Amino acid sequence: TQLLEQSPQFLSIQEGENLTVYCNSSSVFSSLQWYRQEPGEGPVLLVTVVTGGEVKKLKRLTFQFGDARKDSSLHITAAQPGDTGLYLCAGPRDAGNKLTFGGGTRVLVKP
Amino acid sequence: GAGVSQSPSNKVTEKGKDVELRCDPISGHTALYWYRQSLGQGLEFLIYFQGNSAPDKSGLPSDRFSAERTGGSVSTLTIQRTQQEDSAVYLCASSSGQGSQPQHFGDGTRLSIL
Repeated sequence: TQLLEQSPQFLSIQEGENLTVYCNSSSVFSSLQWYRQEPGEGPVLLVTVVTGGEVKKLKRLTFQFGDARKDSSLHITAAQPGDTGLYLCAGPRDAGNKLTFGGGTRVLVKP
Repeated sequence: GAGVSQSPSNKVTEKGKDVELRCDPISGHTALYWYRQSLGQGLEFLIYFQGNSAPDKSGLPSDRFSAERTGGSVSTLTIQRTQQEDSAVYLCASSSGQGSQPQHFGDGTRLSIL
């Protein structure tokens, strides 16, 4: 059983549509991070959310951290083919900052 | 370059052979992490270094796996007597310290065991 559950596992949409990816846990996290990974590359950090209820915007991407700091969501508005990739949420498990990752959501935006 | 560098980018080897994977972290980063990623899946923590010491080795799957870091910089992950289930992408990340410092990832080594 993964500590962080992501849903859906796969999402295929047309360019211009909106999408939301969810990251849920039964545990409280001090912070959660969202990464995007493209084939053959390492994950690239998009954002870190720290405060319960926090909302962060990065252009067309909106990240939300749940009030209880157990869940997070990523919403993409008017998706573009360049948004295609594997989206991963991750949270630190202890003071050593090793990250536990969700299973990832593969997003495909078709032109 | 200024990013995390991993080598080789791809490695194909026969079952039973030993392999050594290398990670060059960002200069000055004291923390270094190894993760493993199976095809299209999330990342699995293997080991964490702070300087040259490894306070957390809890993710190493078996005693066939070992890692070291020298000079507070380069790290090598060694897998002895490789098995087919070791096939995965091995990713290295570094950060400037503990706490919520962001981790910067290399592009990984894709390991295939025949």
